This record gives sequence, structure tokens and C-alpha cells, in this order.
Amino acid sequence: SQQGEEDPQALSIQEGENATMNCSYKTSINNLQWYRQNSGRGLVHLILIRSNEREKHSGRLRVTLDTSKKSSSLLITASRAADTASYFCATDSFYGNNRLAFGKGNQVVVIP
Amino acid sequence: DAMVIQNPRYQVTQFGKPVTLSCSQTLNHNVMYWYQQKSSQAPKLLFHYYDKDFNNEADTPDNFQSRRPNTSFCFLDIRSPGLGDAAMYLCATSRESNTGVGNQPQHFGDGTRLSIL
Repeated sequence: SQQGEEDPQALSIQEGENATMNCSYKTSINNLQWYRQNSGRGLVHLILIRSNEREKHSGRLRVTLDTSKKSSSLLITASRAADTASYFCATDSFYGNNRLAFGKGNQVVVIP
Repeated sequence: DAMVIQNPRYQVTQFGKPVTLSCSQTLNHNVMYWYQQKSSQAPKLLFHYYDKDFNNEADTPDNFQSRRPNTSFCFLDIRSPGLGDAAMYLCATSRESNTGVGNQPQHFGDGTRLSIL
């Protein structure tokens, strides 16, 4: 079952601006992951944040996790045209199957 | 470079005609996954292999089968494709411990886009 849900679904920004995406989930987790998918390609892992972490950085990416609200955000700073892609959050399910469940995805378009 | 390779990138088959999609990996990962992704939707897990152990999702149709003859290769067999099976099929791998899958990053191939005539 898919339990991650991103908000908003589509985002269009100018190059150089920041892009923020949110994800909510329903059950307790061990970790939450963010992936990027360029059109017609497979998913690329961006960052993994564990349930005992609140914030994580990787280059221009910043991920936050609020387990009390069951939500996460992905911030891309100083966006580039190459950041145009769909972004998915995915959670493992602490109860039951421990498999990744992907959210619906955010379509981000960065205008040069 | 170590990677996950899916062949072919595009596959066209006829309604009801069996089709096999393939995936190979050079990462030596112990877990391999098959996902189905329809347009503008999230990937949906069909099944995965933890080493040789096959794990089917409860809502995966019986029409879908999988084989993993060795660590490097995994196949998705669709016995009688219907129009609703047209989708992108993604293979992924991860190196997991015995605490359960989903705890490590997954590495994806570029997928096979399946069309049904």
C-alpha cells in the first residue's frame, strides 16, 4: 500500500529559486527516503533520514522529518534546470512488511 | 560502473501473449524488486526476492510471476497481458540486513515500458 503523500503535486519555479515539497505518512517508520525520477528514467536515491533524525543535508538538498506530525519536507536550494523531475518520498512500514511504500510524487519544473 | 540494467527499454506485446522482462545487476545486492509504475503514479511494488526467497505482495495479480536464477538476474513474466498491464516496469536492488527490507537505499534500472496491442 502507498502511504506517503506529497504536497504540492506540481511546482513550477524559476532557476535559482528554492523548491519545497512535503510528504506525510500514516504509520510509524524506521526511515524515510526521497527519490528523484527524470522523465522516462528510473528512480535515483537522494537521501535517507532515519526516524531518530530531524534534519539531514546533502549538497543543495535539505530534508526534515517530524515524526510527531508524520511528515517530511524536501528543500532544493538554488534550483537548476537539471532539477526538473518528479520527486517521491518513500517510507518503510514499521508495522508489518518493512517494504518501501512510495508516495504520489511531486512534479517540479525549473524554468531556465 | 556498477549498475542495474533492464532489457529491453521498450517492449510491445499483443493482448494475451506472454512476455518476459529482464533485469541484471552488478552491485551484488541480495534483494531485488519489481515495481509497476503507471503514468503520473507512484511505483507499486509487485514482489521482491530476498536472496532466493520470493515475497509476493498480496494485491499482485496471479498473472505476474518472477524468477531469480542467480544473484545477478531477475525476470518478470506476465503470462497473459491485458490492456491494464501497460506500464513502466522498474527493477531495483538493495543490500539489506536481516532486519528487513526497506532500510537501505534502492538502486533502480531505467525501466522497461510495456505496451499492449
